[in-house]
Amino acid sequence: GAVVSQHPSWVICKSGTSVKIECRSLDFQATTMFWYRQFPKQSLMLMATSNEGSKATYEQGVEKDKFLINHASLTLSTLTVTSAHPEDSSFYICSARDVGREENQPQHFGDGTRLSIL
Amino acid sequence: LAKTTQPISMDSYEGQEVNITCSHNNIATNDYITWYQQFPSQGPRFIIQGYKTKVTNEVASLFIPADRKSSTLSLPRVSLSDTAVYYCLVGAIDQGGKLIFGQGTELSVKP
Repeated sequence: GAVVSQHPSWVICKSGTSVKIECRSLDFQATTMFWYRQFPKQSLMLMATSNEGSKATYEQGVEKDKFLINHASLTLSTLTVTSAHPEDSSFYICSARDVGREENQPQHFGDGTRLSIL
Repeated sequence: LAKTTQPISMDSYEGQEVNITCSHNNIATNDYITWYQQFPSQGPRFIIQGYKTKVTNEVASLFIPADRKSSTLSLPRVSLSDTAVYYCLVGAIDQGGKLIFGQGTELSVKP
C-alpha cells in the first residue's frame, strides 16, 4: 500500500532556530499533501494544504510566514517552522493520497515529527 | 466539510466485538466515510472507507445506513493492541482529499 515517510521523527532545538520537516510519498506521486499539528491529548488540526508547483493554502489562524511550505516535486513536501519558540512544540504530521491509482483512494499519513523547542 | 460526532471514550474487554458509531448529519452526496486508528506518537493509520451499505476488510467492517447520516465501525474480537484513538472522517475525494478531524473515540481494551 501507499507509504508516506516523514523525517526527522524527532527533533529538539533551541528557541529561535528554524526547523525543516520533510514529507515524502515513497511509492506514489502526490500533487497535494497536507500538514497537521497535534498537541497532547488533542485531535489533529489541519494547518495547510501543500500544492505541487504552487503556493500552499493555509487554514484560518495559521501564520504562513511562520510555517513555510514548499512542494517542489511530486514526492516531497517540506514544512519549515521559522524562528521556533516553545509554543511551537508539537507533533507534526503530513498526509498524502495516491491519485495515480483508482479513484477514491484514502489519505495515508506519515508517522509524525515530534518537535521540542527549548 | 461535514462535521462528525463520536463518543469520547469506550471501554471493552479482550475478545469482544466493539462497535463505534459516528454521526455525520450533514454528509454531502459525494462524501466518503473513512476511519483511522491512531496510537500515541504515531500518525493515523487507515482502517476502512466506504460510501454506502457495508464494507468489510481483514481488520474491520463499516456499516452505513441508507440515509448515510451515521456509520458504525465494527472491530471483531478486539485485543489489547487495539487500544487506540479511532477517528471517523467525512470528505469528498474530488476536493483533493482534505480531511478535518473531530475529537475521535479513545478505545481502551482491558484484559
